[in-house]
Amino acid sequence: KAGVTQTPRYLIKTRGQQVTLSCSPISGHRSVSWYQQTPGQGLQFLFEYFSETQRNKGNFPGRFSGRQFSNSRSEMNVSTLELGDSALYLCASSLEIRQGTGYTFGSGTRLTVV
Amino acid sequence: KDQVFQPSTVASSEGAVVEIFCNHSVSNAYNFFWYLHFPGCAPRLLVKGSKPSQQGRYNMTYERFSSSLLILQVREADAAVYYCACMDSSYKLIFGSGTRLLVRP
Repeated sequence: KAGVTQTPRYLIKTRGQQVTLSCSPISGHRSVSWYQQTPGQGLQFLFEYFSETQRNKGNFPGRFSGRQFSNSRSEMNVSTLELGDSALYLCASSLEIRQGTGYTFGSGTRLTVV
Repeated sequence: KDQVFQPSTVASSEGAVVEIFCNHSVSNAYNFFWYLHFPGCAPRLLVKGSKPSQQGRYNMTYERFSSSLLILQVREADAAVYYCACMDSSYKLIFGSGTRLLVRP
């Protein structure tokens, strides 16, 4: 059974550009969450999607947005990139939004803004 | 504010039992989740729940607002970042900042 797939693995962008990251959940999983990981900050929650609807949102500026498609794949977009957006972006999926079994994570996309 | 707290670094010697402590201020949170993260890999769920539990060499203690992950017979290969998380009332996982485990041979 394929795991959570995130593409691309690595990305280098310049300030002011925008970027789109992709996440394909485990087959059958309908909930997809996104986290930002930076040194010392741990995993900061960005947003969660379930059945193409955003169900939860973290405390990030509006430059961070996302969406989910009918096949449960999700994309995350960051516009007007800033140096501070450099981070590892992790996607996680679960069967149901209220499931207490935890998430299955992908390996992440390492974004570097120069 | 809903937060999860854990030490930034824990050091241990090979073969010992190492304990990583976690506590939280998350409203209506009852479950703890412990993840292991090696650089470049996907974070992996080790153990979870609202009561003490064990998965192989990983033991989880449980109190209403705190939990500890105990790793038995720690090895150099266990050196990684360990995350503690709680699920809040809107069913999202809130993570701590991670604990880097250092293992001395």
